[in-house]
Amino acid sequence: AAGVIQSPRHLIKEKRETATLKCYPIPRHDTVYWYQQGPGQDPQFLISFYEKMQSDKGSIPDRFSAQQFSDYHSELNMSSLELGDSALYFCASSSMRWAYNEQFFGPGTRLTVL
Amino acid sequence: AQTVTQSQPEMSVQEAETVTLSCTYDTSESDYYLFWYKQPPSRQMILVIRQEAYKQQNATENRFSVNFQKAAKSFSLKISDSQLGDAAMYFCAYRSLGGSNYKLTFGKGTLLTVNP
Repeated sequence: AAGVIQSPRHLIKEKRETATLKCYPIPRHDTVYWYQQGPGQDPQFLISFYEKMQSDKGSIPDRFSAQQFSDYHSELNMSSLELGDSALYFCASSSMRWAYNEQFFGPGTRLTVL
Repeated sequence: AQTVTQSQPEMSVQEAETVTLSCTYDTSESDYYLFWYKQPPSRQMILVIRQEAYKQQNATENRFSVNFQKAAKSFSLKISDSQLGDAAMYFCAYRSLGGSNYKLTFGKGTLLTVNP
């Protein structure tokens, strides 16, 4: 079965640079979630989109922005990168049509800021 | 806001034995979902089991079962016949039932070691 695809899998950036993370949800899923997991931490919710509209917002820095496109893929844009942004970034997708609206996670993008 | 607490940062179990991981949560909502996720060294997040708060029956998935105590806001995970492949970080997670708030709120995790 198709799973959530994230690219790139690994990304190394310098401080103050920008990064773009991409997420391709499972086909026919209409909702995308972004989570940030710092070293030794639990995943923290950043933002979600339903049918290309922002549906919820968590502790996402103002330096970050995200959107969901017409083909339902999503991109997380991160500017003025800081050392503390080094983390594993998960994308998850779900379908509101399913009873449990279960979130399926991608493999994550590991961002390292030097 | 909902909070999830896992009071055991680390646990260990002998292969083939049973282990229970604890989770408590705080919420003012009456209906919600609770989940246990497994994160092996690959860092992939894998759903282990889910529980609907409106269901009194405890969920079971093969060797994994939960003890859901709604009044006590407790949601523990029992792993029977532990296997080496069960070694991982386990996260307890909460999710609201409706509205637009479907985000998962995670506990800090419990690192499970399985000894051969």
